Amino acid sequence: GESVGLHLPTLSVQEGDNSIINCAYSNSASDYFIWYKQESGKGPQFIIDIRSNMDKRQGQRVTVLLNKTVKHLSLQIAATQPGDSAVYFCAENWRAAAGNKLTFGGGTRVLVKP
Amino acid sequence: SAVISQKPSRDICQRGTSLTIQCQVDSQVTMMFWYRQQPGQSLTLIATANQGSEATYESGFVIDKFPISRPNLTFSTLTVSNMSPEDSSIYLCSAEKTVTDTQYFGPGTRLTVL
Repeated sequence: GESVGLHLPTLSVQEGDNSIINCAYSNSASDYFIWYKQESGKGPQFIIDIRSNMDKRQGQRVTVLLNKTVKHLSLQIAATQPGDSAVYFCAENWRAAAGNKLTFGGGTRVLVKP
Repeated sequence: SAVISQKPSRDICQRGTSLTIQCQVDSQVTMMFWYRQQPGQSLTLIATANQGSEATYESGFVIDKFPISRPNLTFSTLTVSNMSPEDSSIYLCSAEKTVTDTQYFGPGTRLTVL
């Protein structure tokens, strides 16, 4: 396997349970937030995004919550499946003079137990 | 979304040599980026590849070490120069079609320097 996620915090979840992954961001000027999923040996895959004028957005089995007051972002995965095992990264985007800047959080490894 | 490919997918190189990584997008994009992901770590932005002008480097990254080309709207290269074992990482290319679009990632190039 690849080395992604070896030193990251791990969330162990029973198959079928809900998962909640938390992320703190740093820049109050960030206007756009993204959750990515990275499986072993692959690049980050877009899951869901949310703009700063929203506090909740739902996708298929995933929900992102944004709390701008405390600069906190969370990803909820409903009915977690073995295929959800991966490293999850939040990313915040802000617009610099040269263009968009995407800053990634430290990542959380999700391990789904059968 | 955009489909992004990278070549090579992995390589093992000797210290002191250089490696050029290619990134190809299946459609024209406005912005392309290069990231580094060290073992067990999150992603760090190296630079923004600008079409028709010099790349914009982030703090801690310099053009002499990581020269970047972007000859057109679908292609970019990153060279890792005069490599040392500390350069062993996954190098990822990303792209966004418009300034309000999400960044999509390639599969990464896994580099090991001996």
